[in-house]
Order: sequence, then structure tokens, then C-alpha cells
Amino acid sequence: GDSVTQMEGPVTLSEEAFLTINCTYTATGYPSLFWYVQYPGEGLQLLLKATKADDKGSNKGFEATYRKETTSFHLEKGSVQVSDSAVYFCALSSGGSYIPTFGRGTSLIVHP
Amino acid sequence: DGGITQSPKYLFRKEGQNVTLSCEQNLNHDAMYWYRQDPGQGLRLIYYSQIVNDFQKGDIAEGYSVSREKKESFPLTVTSAQKNPTAFYLCASSIVPNEQFFGPGTRLTVL
Repeated sequence: GDSVTQMEGPVTLSEEAFLTINCTYTATGYPSLFWYVQYPGEGLQLLLKATKADDKGSNKGFEATYRKETTSFHLEKGSVQVSDSAVYFCALSSGGSYIPTFGRGTSLIVHP
Repeated sequence: DGGITQSPKYLFRKEGQNVTLSCEQNLNHDAMYWYRQDPGQGLRLIYYSQIVNDFQKGDIAEGYSVSREKKESFPLTVTSAQKNPTAFYLCASSIVPNEQFFGPGTRLTVL
């Protein structure tokens, strides 16, 4: 079946540092890929998405590129802020399934 | 504005009591979902519904029940059979296979 693997957290960075959160997936066919963000005590929000190979999703300074050859969708940001502290979930949705597959989430802590 | 609402935000349950969590969406989405999230854990699927009057069990359906009488509503009942219900509950909706839209969550605590 489909699966998503994210790097273990927490990831702890200083403000203005470069961020990478790794995400790899296993899926049949050509899934759509997503990054969601969850701030403390809130629901998940879509951060960005990509629907086909080599697409780059971007939002709020975050980027991720759909790499079919390495089955990866790593999240990056050039300069993190304290307000980026949250849990980030990588997910995929295969065309034939109503059930998306989520990674376990990666906690990001940014210090001033 | 379109979106998903959940109520209440906080809910307390006594032993042996059933409680119902509300989830409403005005996005005109066919598919709706309930997830459970425990501290430091990912999401676990409880139930999902593809269409009105139809729903399927997810990975951890025991001790929970749902109904889908209207497209915009998908309430979750936590029954007394659920022995460890303290958790954060998230409702979501989507147009498959696109992204999911999540509500703000309900935090349930057993007294």
C-alpha cells in the first residue's frame, strides 16, 4: 500500500537558518503530494502541493519539488522565523483512493 | 467564507457517557473524514464518508459511531465502549484526490 516517511523530529533551528524536512513516499500510480502545517492547538492547514512530477509547490517562503525519480517531496525554506514553529505533515493522495496517506509529522522549533 | 467548523472546542466526558462531536462544512465536498490525534502522534483515521448515507470504518473505528444524513454534516459519537477517548479529534473534507480541508479540532478529555 501507499506510505509516507518523514524525518524524525523535533528539528530545532535558530531564526534565519535554512530548513529542510525530508519526505519520501511509496505509491502506485502518480499521486498528488502535499505539505500541511499544524500550529499548536489547531487543525491542519494546507501549506503547498504538487500534482505531477517536477512540479514545485510554494507558499509563504516554503518550497517542495515533486521528484519522481527519488520518490521524494522535501520541504525547504531559506530563512525560518520563530512563527514557523509548528508540526509539518507530508501526505499523498492517489487518484483511485478516498483515503490520503499522511506521514507521522515533524515538529519544528525555531529559537530567536 | 467557506470552511469547516467543529464544536465544541473542548469537551469533557464522564465514565460511561456517550458524547457527540459536531462537524459541519459549507464547501460542498462529498467526502468527509474523522481523525484522532494523540500527543506527539500523527493522524489516525476513525471513519470516512464518500457520499450522503454511506460511511466506512477507518483504522480505529471501535468505540466510535458516525452518521451522514446531510452532505454538510458528519457528527462523531464517542461511545462508552471507547476505553481511552482522551485525544484531539479532527474533522476534514475534500474533493478526492485533492487536498483535505480541516476543522479547528475538538479536544476531548475523560474526567
